[in-house]
Amino acid sequence: QVQLQESGPGLVKPSQTLSLTCTVSGGSISSGSYYWSWIRQPAGKGLEWIGRIYTSGSTNYNPSLKSRVTISVDTSKNQFSLKLSSVTAADTAVYYCARDFLYCSSTSCYSLPRDWGQGTLVTVSS
Amino acid sequence: QSVLTQPPSASGTPGQRVTISCSGSSSNIGSNTVNWYQQLPGTAPKLLIYSNNQRPSGVPDRFSGSKSGTSASLAISGLQSEDEADYYCAAWDDSLNGPWVFGGGTKLTVL
Repeated sequence: QVQLQESGPGLVKPSQTLSLTCTVSGGSISSGSYYWSWIRQPAGKGLEWIGRIYTSGSTNYNPSLKSRVTISVDTSKNQFSLKLSSVTAADTAVYYCARDFLYCSSTSCYSLPRDWGQGTLVTVSS
Repeated sequence: QSVLTQPPSASGTPGQRVTISCSGSSSNIGSNTVNWYQQLPGTAPKLLIYSNNQRPSGVPDRFSGSKSGTSASLAISGLQSEDEADYYCAAWDDSLNGPWVFGGGTKLTVL
């Protein structure tokens, strides 16, 4: 059973870059054909998909965050990472990493976050 | 403001059947499948329903999903106290080749 664990600073100053790492255990990040995703949730609010990275390194980002987001993978450490630049208070949230799973309907195939980490709170404040 | 619209709250008594709605548009629910997550207090979301009405292994058949046009519903039958949680719908949005969009969440209270 794969497990994911987020780590990184819990406090980031405005205008700086938020950096988080997701460590995968119970399986190799490079085995199988998976997307690995980041999702966030401000306190008391809903979920926002940030983006994902495929095992090969290709990425997809939420257009609303694309200019500030970079997701990368380090297969040697079995980790993938999130960087969000120029943060403001609006970026304060619990950040989750997740492993997607692929399913297909009659018309399309989708890669959907399924196995989630426990989440880590990041506060943007001076 | 979430892309998908859910009622902020729902409630029911043990044993009852409750439904939670999710409304979208032609670029998301109208052209893609709908998924549902359950988030118990203080925990990460758990996938409950995928592809409109499919349950991952381990999810009780008390939970069911449906979709019609640009709307979807999650139904919970035989309501139990442990079902008290936040529920989120999610769908892919084609407008800009993604992203995944979510509803604002529905807090289910078991009275």
